[in-house]
Amino acid sequence: KAGVTQTPRYLIKTRGQQVTLSCSPISGHRSVSWYQQTPGQGLQFLFEYFSETQRNKGNFPGRFSGRQFSNSRSEMNVSTLELGDSALYLCASSRTGGPSYEQYFGPGTRLTVT
Amino acid sequence: DQQVKQNSPSLSVQEGRISILNCDYTNSMFDYFLWYKKYPAEGPTFLISISSIKDKNEDGRFTVFLNKSAKHLSLHIVPSQPGDSAVYFCAASAGEGGGADGLTFGKGTHLIIQP
Repeated sequence: KAGVTQTPRYLIKTRGQQVTLSCSPISGHRSVSWYQQTPGQGLQFLFEYFSETQRNKGNFPGRFSGRQFSNSRSEMNVSTLELGDSALYLCASSRTGGPSYEQYFGPGTRLTVT
Repeated sequence: DQQVKQNSPSLSVQEGRISILNCDYTNSMFDYFLWYKKYPAEGPTFLISISSIKDKNEDGRFTVFLNKSAKHLSLHIVPSQPGDSAVYFCAASAGEGGGADGLTFGKGTHLIIQP
């Protein structure tokens, strides 16, 4: 079956702009999580959506937001971009997001803020 | 405050030998641990996991050991193969209570298998 897909794969934005990233989970998966990967901080949890509801949120400012649609596809939005937002943004899906937690990751969106 | 630590940024091992990747954690609420493997330009791929009620889980060439008292886990790969060269992330979850609290990742160890 098809894996997790993320669009776009690469993005260059200017400080102050906003950006929307998209993630399509594996068919049948209802949980979508977003992570930010930077060289200094590693992989950090942003938030998780399950059945169109944000179920949990990491320690990121309110400029980072997301949503999930009825088909489980998810979008992540970052407003008022800062240079420090340059990172690889990874989306992961799992069937339920429960304790077994075998998440499947997409290839990521590489965001560069100039 | 880093709750999951992988203190070796890189590790070089000869092909055919054992690779041992280490991970320490500080949060005693963590009850599920996972290892992911990541190649450049790809997302992490799930490798193996272990619940806190176990101390060992084995899957082919991969074995994960958990020492709860020391808050330490390790991933053993034997024998190591060239295709094992990748960045390995240790991750932990406090998910037994239900819901998804998100995985807490270490910063990764770059494993290099030398021919």
